[in-house]
Amino acid sequence: DAKTTQPPSMDCAEGRAANLPCNHSTISGNEYVYWYRQIHSQGPQYIIHGLKNNETNEMASLIITEDRKSSTLILPHATLRDTAVYYCIVPPLISNFGNEKLTFGTGTRLTIIP
Amino acid sequence: DTAVSQTPKYLVTQMGNDKSIKCEQNLGHDTMYWYKQDSKKFLKIMFSYNNKELIINETVPNRFSPKSPDKAHLNLHINSLELGDSAVYFCASSQLAEAFFGQGTRLTVV
Repeated sequence: DAKTTQPPSMDCAEGRAANLPCNHSTISGNEYVYWYRQIHSQGPQYIIHGLKNNETNEMASLIITEDRKSSTLILPHATLRDTAVYYCIVPPLISNFGNEKLTFGTGTRLTIIP
Repeated sequence: DTAVSQTPKYLVTQMGNDKSIKCEQNLGHDTMYWYKQDSKKFLKIMFSYNNKELIINETVPNRFSPKSPDKAHLNLHINSLELGDSAVYFCASSQLAEAFFGQGTRLTVV
């Protein structure tokens, strides 16, 4: 499995952009980078995923470096509801089924400060 | 209209009992999973099923037996419950990229 490294915690002021880094230096050419988050007492929630190109959806943007060894999740205008643990995951390519083996590490605890 | 629903939400039981947790998804996904989140908040996959067939079994004790009667349901039966089984159990389903998780079942063994 491509191992990921994230800072244990970060703070961000409400309304500002939250930039969450992730290192995945052992990622292989066909492995995707996924981001999930877990708000307190809830199940994990999918945010975004990408392979090489930068991606954007209604929740966030994902910036992947050219060498693919690291990525940054950007929440453009953080709100108090974005306080959660954010997980960067690189699932192994086991079969054609997709991300059937998500391995959640310790993630980054993001606290949005009013 | 809940996408992935688990029942019960809370389960308190004595050591040695047998219990089941039910999971249903209405998303039409082929793949379903069970995850366990322990007291240290580590979230680990236990089982994965694709179209009712077991794909992943992550060295979970035999006391845990998943059952998938159809691709919309994946139930988890636990025999001879132990104190160490206390955790939050999450069911999830996916169709390729995005996995949807249920709200979790908090199991407490006393």
